[in-house]
Amino acid sequence: AQRVTQPEKLLSVFKGAPVELKCNYSYSGSPELFWYVQYSRQRLQLLLRHISRESIKGFTADLNKGETSFHLKKPFAQEEDSAMYYCALKYGNKLVFGAGTILRVKS
Amino acid sequence: DVKVTQSSRYLVKRTGEKVFLECVQDMDHENMFWYRQDPGLGLRLIYFSYDVKMKEKGDIPEGYSVSREKKERFSLILESASTNQTSMYLCASTTPGLAGYEQYFGPGTRLTVT
Repeated sequence: AQRVTQPEKLLSVFKGAPVELKCNYSYSGSPELFWYVQYSRQRLQLLLRHISRESIKGFTADLNKGETSFHLKKPFAQEEDSAMYYCALKYGNKLVFGAGTILRVKS
Repeated sequence: DVKVTQSSRYLVKRTGEKVFLECVQDMDHENMFWYRQDPGLGLRLIYFSYDVKMKEKGDIPEGYSVSREKKERFSLILESASTNQTSMYLCASTTPGLAGYEQYFGPGTRLTVT
């Protein structure tokens, strides 16, 4: 069955430190993966998708099929990165979301 | 710019009441979704609809029903509200033609059942 696992509920880092939010998936087909972000008092929105191989707000994510992972990375965290981050897997015409990781960037 | 609106930001209802949550999108999207968002559990799909009058159960449909009479509107109904349905409810929409199948979310309705 398709499943998305985000092992960390909370990740706390200092400003300027590297960030890695972990995401592992379970899916028998060819995966399409996304990262969504929810800033305080804002609606959930798409951050990036693996098929675009893009960098958004300094974040990147690489799909590793061997390790079934799609970790989100940023080399230097900023305070405005503090938010809830969800990893999501597309199957059919639905998305399945992980439990989410709260990122707190301390000054 | 896609706009997804939800009828209420906050709602307080009593146990046993029938509750209606409404969602409207203005981008002619075919697919619409209702999720529950709970700490530690993430977003869980309740129901989704891929066309007018078409619906499909998600992962946690028990205690809920939906209605989609018009393309732009998707309603979530709690037939008899219970305290374990206290949660944040998010509506989303998308269309199969969107690159990457991006879902657009509403602001959420925080429902408290007492």
